[in-house]
Amino acid sequence: QQQVKQSPQSLIVQKGGISIINCAYENTAFDYFPWYQQFPGKGPALLIAIRPDVSEKKEGRFTISFNKSAKQFSLHIMDSQPGDSATYFCAAINTGNQFYFGTGTSLTVIP
Amino acid sequence: DTAVSQTPKYLVTQMGNDKSIKCEQNLGHDTMYWYKQDSKKFLKIMFSYNNKELIINETVPNRFSPKSPDKAHLNLHINSLELGDSAVYFCASSHRDPYGYTFGSGTRLTVV
Repeated sequence: QQQVKQSPQSLIVQKGGISIINCAYENTAFDYFPWYQQFPGKGPALLIAIRPDVSEKKEGRFTISFNKSAKQFSLHIMDSQPGDSATYFCAAINTGNQFYFGTGTSLTVIP
Repeated sequence: DTAVSQTPKYLVTQMGNDKSIKCEQNLGHDTMYWYKQDSKKFLKIMFSYNNKELIINETVPNRFSPKSPDKAHLNLHINSLELGDSAVYFCASSHRDPYGYTFGSGTRLTVV
């Protein structure tokens, strides 16, 4: 059973555009929501994360929007660049420190 | 460099063979993990070790056995390799809090 549902599976965006990746969860025991970025041939690396007591967190061009009532959160990449082309994973972590990853989104930014 | 390092990076082997993948972390983390990433990029947790004790064992065939000589090392031994074992295997480590969840760079296993 997939604890965290992620969409879309793949995304193509023009350089300078906004990339948006969405995730949804059901378990209210989750209390930490990180996003990971994975380049080809590398392991996933923590990109940005949010706790459910805030609705938005921004770091540079990357923003997480969090909707606790809808149990949804999304990653927005502003001014997308070709170097952002990677696979992005959302994740949710419960109070027992168990990780649940989404199924990944392959982002391609076209020059 | 502080990191999670795993070896080898690539492993090509024949069906039926036994192989091991090694993982070491120098981050002082107390929990280490093995993940399998299939061709569709889906990350599936296989094992988790906390202070040398197995705390997660998802539905993984018993041909896979994790071995942790100390809390800085978690090796993965695979017996009787099958074609379906071909994937990228990632080691990761973390503290009790989730901020320090760090992945290694992966081992691409190809069974022929």
